[in-house]
Amino acid sequence: QVQLVQSGAEVKKPGASVKVSCKASGYTFSGFYMQWVRQAPGQGLEWMGWINPNSGFTKYAQNFQGRVTMTRDMSITTAYMELSGLTSDDTAMYYCARDKGEHADYWGQGTLVTVSS
Amino acid sequence: QSALTQPASVSGSPGQSITISCTGTNSDVGSYNLVSWYQQHPGKAPKLIIYEGSKWPSGLSNRFSGSKSGNTASLTISGLQAEDEADYYCCSYAGSSTWVFGGGTKLTVL
Repeated sequence: QVQLVQSGAEVKKPGASVKVSCKASGYTFSGFYMQWVRQAPGQGLEWMGWINPNSGFTKYAQNFQGRVTMTRDMSITTAYMELSGLTSDDTAMYYCARDKGEHADYWGQGTLVTVSS
Repeated sequence: QSALTQPASVSGSPGQSITISCTGTNSDVGSYNLVSWYQQHPGKAPKLIIYEGSKWPSGLSNRFSGSKSGNTASLTISGLQAEDEADYYCCSYAGSSTWVFGGGTKLTVL
């Protein structure tokens, strides 16, 4: 069965970076783009971007250009999302989700990132 | 791009039907038949319930249905059940390999 298992919660200081992992299993990792979506406390979903695990090509939302880097390690079927220059506005749950063709059919459990001094 | 517009809340009684709207522009909803809908219960990850405007993921209840007219997509839930109480989000392809989500709608089952 398809599973996306994300890394654990993180607490970071303002200005720091965070790297969230998303371990995929139960399907061919290279065959599906991986999307990243975040959700601030009590707020809606916000699209961050995607990575094509096969090529490593990425596309980022304008709001995150210059601050986000998405990578992957094919040998361990894991995708990563790194966000730099953290501020309190980046406190959120971060989700990875498998892209089945312009929709996300499987989601990770989420990783809570808290930015606090 | 700007978030798609959804009503903040809707409510209905068990057994009734409700509809949630999702209004975009002719750069996203209006240009592509690629609207998806997600259900999110508190503390849980979102769950896909409709894709490509009106298609159901396998194994999902057909009490959920989707449609589109112009720049507005809609999700209808028929035969409301207590377990349908959740937040609902629309999402549209917005061109240039980008997505945009709606602000979310809280459904209360009275």
